Amino acid sequence: NAGVMQNPRHLVRRRGQEARLRCSPMKGHSHVYWYRQLPEEGLKFMVYLQKENIIDESGMPKERFSAEFPKEGPSILRIQQVVRGDSAAYFCASSSGPGLATNEKLFFGSGTQLSVL
Amino acid sequence: GEDVEQSLFLSVREGDSSVINCTYTDSSSTYLYWYKQEPGAGLQLLTYIFSNMDMKQDQRLTVLLNKKDKHLSLRIADTQTGDSAIYFCAEPGNTGKLIFGQGTTLQVKP
Repeated sequence: NAGVMQNPRHLVRRRGQEARLRCSPMKGHSHVYWYRQLPEEGLKFMVYLQKENIIDESGMPKERFSAEFPKEGPSILRIQQVVRGDSAAYFCASSSGPGLATNEKLFFGSGTQLSVL
Repeated sequence: GEDVEQSLFLSVREGDSSVINCTYTDSSSTYLYWYKQEPGAGLQLLTYIFSNMDMKQDQRLTVLLNKKDKHLSLRIADTQTGDSAIYFCAEPGNTGKLIFGQGTTLQVKP
């Protein structure tokens, strides 16, 4: 049973280009979460999606960032017109059910390191 | 608001105990979690505690919860060099997502 798969592992983009980060949740998981990690800033929540629905996007920047989790295929985090400040590690996590307050466990991928030149 | 606070760095000698502290804000949190991140990797669930408990022990790990002060701690007994990592505490926020602290970097000296 493969874990949460993220690709690419490393992504280099020039300023102004688009970045697409992919996440395949664990088998049987329909809840996906995206987090961004900057040095010394910990892990910041970005967006929580269930199949075809955005449940909580309170951590997403209002412009240039979007996320989707289609019925078929991986979840995609898309960053348009990247800037140097977007350089970070982006982690995806998945769970089998809603409400982590009920001890649904969260499983993380290994992350995508985005570098903007 | 939802906020989780941790100290950023802890250094101990191999064989000593490590204690990593965390404060959280949401008194209604039902579960509180500790995650471990090794260099270049994602986070792995280390342990968790249900809010009606004040202590949980799991081999070398002891979690203490003080609900009144909203304080959570993780004690690692007989710390080994392999325990060097970043440790995150987390609480569930509204809508079911997890809110993480800044992470505590544990450095274990031989």
